Amino acid sequence: DQQVKQNSPSLSVQEGRISILNCDYTNSMFDYFLWYKKYPAEGPTFLISISSIKDKNEDGRFTVFLNKSAKHLSLHIVPSQPGDSAVYFCAASANDMRFGAGTRLTVKP
Amino acid sequence: NAGVTQTPKFQVLKTGQSMTLQCAQDMNHEYMSWYRQDPGMGLRLIHYSVGAGITDQGEVPNGYNVSRSTTEDFPLRLLSAAPSQTSVYFCASSQGLRSPLHFGNGTRLTVT
Repeated sequence: DQQVKQNSPSLSVQEGRISILNCDYTNSMFDYFLWYKKYPAEGPTFLISISSIKDKNEDGRFTVFLNKSAKHLSLHIVPSQPGDSAVYFCAASANDMRFGAGTRLTVKP
Repeated sequence: NAGVTQTPKFQVLKTGQSMTLQCAQDMNHEYMSWYRQDPGMGLRLIHYSVGAGITDQGEVPNGYNVSRSTTEDFPLRLLSAAPSQTSVYFCASSQGLRSPLHFGNGTRLTVT
């Protein structure tokens, strides 16, 4: 069963606006959460992470929010740029690292 | 600095054939893992290793074998290829489970 879920297969936003990508998880043992970005024909690359002892982590235009009671995390990209267009994977770690199905973000100029 | 290197980049197999996907990392990472990526399914964990001589199963281990005789190498063996194993395979490594994974560029496998 999928322990990490990304329910939106795709998202389209206008350049300069905010992109919000969502992720839900079911395993309460997960204590480290990450977002990866993937371009075609390349491996995923790490974007940002958050430990379960925090509820927010910021890195430039990227912010990850964690709501442990709801078992939900989100990635905010502000402002969105055309170069952000990619597939974004959410991941969570306990004894191993599990990934969601991904959300394809398209940022329109 | 090569990072994680996967070979081959592309492979076509006939049903029933066996092969080994190679993965090597030069970052002295203890943790290594194999994922497969399928449309709509994301990245699913096949096998992982927390150090030389130690391996464990992930979500979808059936039909695959792994071994970890050195820190650097983590090959994935397909024992008898099936069309359901057509996928893109990614190898990854990290310092540990609370560190980001570094991924290779993938092997695209087609089984006919």
